[in-house]
Parts: sequence; structure tokens; C-alpha cells
Amino acid sequence: SSELTQPPSVSVSPGQTARITCSGEALSKQYGFWYQQKLGQAPVLVIYKDRERPSGIPERISGSKSGTRLTLTISGVQAEDEAEYYCQSADTSASYVVFGGGTKLTVL
Amino acid sequence: EVQLVESGGELVQPGGSLRLSCVASGFTFSSYSLNWIRQAPGKGLEWISYISTSSYTIHYTESVKGRFTISRDNAQNSLSLQMSSLRPEDTAVYYCTRVLGSSRLGYYYMDVWGKGTTVTVSS
Repeated sequence: SSELTQPPSVSVSPGQTARITCSGEALSKQYGFWYQQKLGQAPVLVIYKDRERPSGIPERISGSKSGTRLTLTISGVQAEDEAEYYCQSADTSASYVVFGGGTKLTVL
Repeated sequence: EVQLVESGGELVQPGGSLRLSCVASGFTFSSYSLNWIRQAPGKGLEWISYISTSSYTIHYTESVKGRFTISRDNAQNSLSLQMSSLRPEDTAVYYCTRVLGSSRLGYYYMDVWGKGTTVTVSS
């Protein structure tokens, strides 16, 4: 299957740690990627190849993967981290690029 | 500065046609594959089309096959999406994105996104 499943929402208080998960069979064989989309803006790549961080992305944003589960961790959450987060993988035999449904991170 | 700028989005009637454009700057356009990604109002991201560096390889998501055509002009640093037989469900913000990875590497992802252009299909 090429589906990626994310929880619709995650809420944390400032300074706490937020964890957003993404599950799918494709992840056992494919790399996972994460994008952050703030309201009214285009998505921004924040994690590539499961755990690599592009330049300019703060170190408190990290990624990991275990089996078919990808996890985005944001340590010391700040108000500016409030956004929609999408996971993505590749299904080279079907839809080519697949996205999770997105998770709304709310900073309380 | 690496940049992608989309244009061409507007209000169009069902069954109509529209051509979206994306102009790139700040990088060697011909060295990168490209995607169109769209986002319906209040919904998630949806990949719709891919084109390789030389246009040799092209892919579409099932819902737009036969209606949308992706193309690129490496001399002009431009990407296009010709859309026809438009439906209300095609209403979305359309993003042009730079692609990293390949089928040989077994992964694809988008490291640069434009700001998007809005297509509204309605009578």
C-alpha cells in the first residue's frame, strides 16, 4: 500500500516536546520526508531521508524512523512551530509521490 | 536566490481550459526534475505530475490523466501545466516544486516550492 497515515492534530504547550507520527507500509522500504506549512504559505521541507535536516532548519526539529513508522520530533516547541505538518514518501510503482493527510500542530 | 514563481491561475468554468506557468531562477533549471503539487481549499497536499530533466519521463496522477499535460522549456527556465476539461474538484492552489532523487535512487522529494497559483473551477 502507498498510504501514509498521520494523526489529524497534536497539541503541546510551549517548551514541551511534540511528536508527530506517520505510518505506512511504504516506509519500510522508502525514505520519509517532512514538510511544514504555516497558514497561507507554501510548504517547507524540514526533514529529508528520515532524519536529515536541511540548512536553516533549527536543531530542535528532528526525524526518526522505526519499521513502518516515521516520527517528527520538535523539542522546546515555540509559538512559531504552529503549523500543518505533512509526511511524504515515494511509491515508484504507482502514484510516484505520496503524502500523509497532514497533522495540525497547535501550541497551547 | 533559488526561486520558483507560478502564474496563470484564475476563475474558469467547468469544462474549460487553463495553462499554468512556473519560472525558475537561481539554479541550473535543466539539471532538475520538477513536480506540480496541488492543495484543494482546506485539504492536504496532492502530487499531480512529474517531469524529468529532459522531459523523457512524465507521470500523472490518475485523476488528471488525459486532461492535464506537463511540459518544460529548459532554454526559458520554465515549466507549464496545460489543463483541460476542468472540473470543480480541480479547484486548488497549484505549486511548482523542484525534485531531488530519482527512480534509480528509490526516492523523490521536493526541496524548493513556489508560492502557488490559485485555480478556481466554478460556474
